[in-house]
Amino acid sequence: RKEVEQDPGPFNVPEGATVAFNCTYSNSASQSFFWYRQDCRKEPKLLMSVYSSGNEDGRFTAQLNRASQYISLLIRDSKLSDSATYLCVVHLGDQTGANNLFFGTGTRLTVIP
Amino acid sequence: GAVVSQHPSWVICKSGTSVKIECRSLDFQATTMFWYRQFPKQSLMLMATSNEGSKATYEQGVEKDKFLINHASLTLSTLTVTSAHPEDSSFYICSARSLGNGDEQYFGPGTRLTVT
Repeated sequence: RKEVEQDPGPFNVPEGATVAFNCTYSNSASQSFFWYRQDCRKEPKLLMSVYSSGNEDGRFTAQLNRASQYISLLIRDSKLSDSATYLCVVHLGDQTGANNLFFGTGTRLTVIP
Repeated sequence: GAVVSQHPSWVICKSGTSVKIECRSLDFQATTMFWYRQFPKQSLMLMATSNEGSKATYEQGVEKDKFLINHASLTLSTLTVTSAHPEDSSFYICSARSLGNGDEQYFGPGTRLTVT
């Protein structure tokens, strides 16, 4: 079973639409959660961290449900510039020298004029 | 925020040659650097974890003799693809984790390797 699973997408939505991405993780010991954005042929860039209380950054809202091991990202009022691949990323916790960062396969979003 | 650079940003080489990719943390010290590979339309796949001053830890299925990693200082790690073949063509991305900043990793801009 994969550590992180995401909606496969692709999502094609009109400008102004609201779109939600979902992600589940398998390891209950996971400690930190992130959404990254990756543009075509570019490196992933941190979009936002995800906190248990939920957090919002402008048009973006992230939610975490530890009991269900579920993470979501909501984008309101979609812009053309939101078109990208959104990666759900889970961190297992800091073990010195180890990489415990697990990436989902990403969900591709295309916002259509 | 922290900046990680990679060089070169893209490279084309002939089959059988070796290619070295550099990853530098520009404004922080990185105890640990990570090397990823990404094939088209796929997610990042961790290749190896590089700790300064020690041998890299390779993920299962990654040949350590083919992908040589050196982490000589707290700001520089290199990945050398030896005897490159067309199937090694990929997007290689490094990331660095800074001292005292546990979870967050900062990604380099990536290196696109094409082997002809």
